[in-house]
Amino acid sequence: NAGVTQTPKFRVLKTGQSMTLLCAQDMNHEYMYWYRQDPGMGLRLIHYSVGEGTTAKGEVPDGYNVSRLKKQNFLLGLESAAPSQTSVYFCASSRGPGGSNQPQHFGDGTRLSIL
Amino acid sequence: KQEVTQIPAALSVPEGENLVLNCSFTDSAIYNLQWFRQDPGKGLTSLLLIQSSQREQTSGRLNASLDKSSGRSTLYIAASQPGDSATYLCAVWWFNKFYFGSGTKLNVKP
Repeated sequence: NAGVTQTPKFRVLKTGQSMTLLCAQDMNHEYMYWYRQDPGMGLRLIHYSVGEGTTAKGEVPDGYNVSRLKKQNFLLGLESAAPSQTSVYFCASSRGPGGSNQPQHFGDGTRLSIL
Repeated sequence: KQEVTQIPAALSVPEGENLVLNCSFTDSAIYNLQWFRQDPGKGLTSLLLIQSSQREQTSGRLNASLDKSSGRSTLYIAASQPGDSATYLCAVWWFNKFYFGSGTKLNVKP
């Protein structure tokens, strides 16, 4: 069981470069989420999706874009990377909405450094 | 805005001890609360999920309680083991978003 797979696991970028983080889940989940985790601040929601073709803003969406063209994939894009976006990025998915009794399943994270 | 706080930030205990981790939230209108475990360099693993209508949930040596009116949850770990060493995070679902605490880093010494 692969669960939630994030690609790549590590990446170093220069300021102003762009990149896309890929999240893939094989559990047929409707809901998918992108978080960032910074020291001492817990996880903060960037964007989320409630189904194929849908996206919505989370708590800290500025500087990021997302797409959910296929149910199993959720892409996070950085158009012009900034040092403030240095973080560990986590993708998660769930069968039901966050307010249901369905837990979230997380990937192992992408460690991104912006120089 | 919802704020989730976990105290203490770090905890070190000898093996075999029973322990309690705390989570507090500022707005009690939550739908559920979830406890996670995070190992170094890994993602989060869901341990227990408590719906707003529930008071507690149990899984093995873990017991989580929820007191919505006071904005508090506790995670009780019985007979701690070195394998329990990890960071434990709580999260609440509030107005269509999850809000996470910054976690308690637990070290169980052999």
